Amino acid sequence: GDSVTQMEGPVTLSEEAFLTINCTYTATGYPSLFWYVQYPGEGLQLLLKATKADDKGSNKGFEATYRKETTSFHLEKGSVQVSDSAVYFCALSDSTGGFKTIFGAGTRLFVKA
Amino acid sequence: DVKVTQSSRYLVKRTGEKVFLECVQDMDHENMFWYRQDPGLGLRLIYFSYDVKMKEKGDIPEGYSVSREKKERFSLILESASTNQTSMYLCASSFLGTDAEKLFFGSGTQLSVL
Repeated sequence: GDSVTQMEGPVTLSEEAFLTINCTYTATGYPSLFWYVQYPGEGLQLLLKATKADDKGSNKGFEATYRKETTSFHLEKGSVQVSDSAVYFCALSDSTGGFKTIFGAGTRLFVKA
Repeated sequence: DVKVTQSSRYLVKRTGEKVFLECVQDMDHENMFWYRQDPGLGLRLIYFSYDVKMKEKGDIPEGYSVSREKKERFSLILESASTNQTSMYLCASSFLGTDAEKLFFGSGTQLSVL
């Protein structure tokens, strides 16, 4: 079945460092891809999405490009802030699977001042 | 802003108790979901509903049931709680139609079964 694999955490960075969180997926159809973020004590919220190959999703300085040839959707940010400390989830939604969204295990990011 | 409200932030129950987790959304969303979140496993779908009185099993429905009597409310029921159901439970909702894939989440209920 469909699945999402993302790099294990935690990831610890200093403020203003470059961030990459790797995500790869397996899907039988043509999924939409997402990054969700969970701040401490809160539920998940959508960070960005891409719906087809070569699309780039972006929001709040974060970017991810839908790479069909490598089945990847890596999250990047050029300069992280302490306020970016959170858990990041890569996810996919495949129209052939109905309304189900499948999530990766999550990657915890700590940013030090 | 869309609001998804879960009735309790923390809940402590005993083994064998019947447990109700309530979720209410205020944006007239058709779809509603219950996930559980465990460290290292991410979110796993328990049940979902795309209409009043309709329900579909997710990936891990065993030991759970759901109820959707009104469009805005989706309840998760643990018929006889067990210690392996200690987890964070997240409710989510979404539109039917374009942008149906975007999920809106509640803040979660941390359930401990002793």
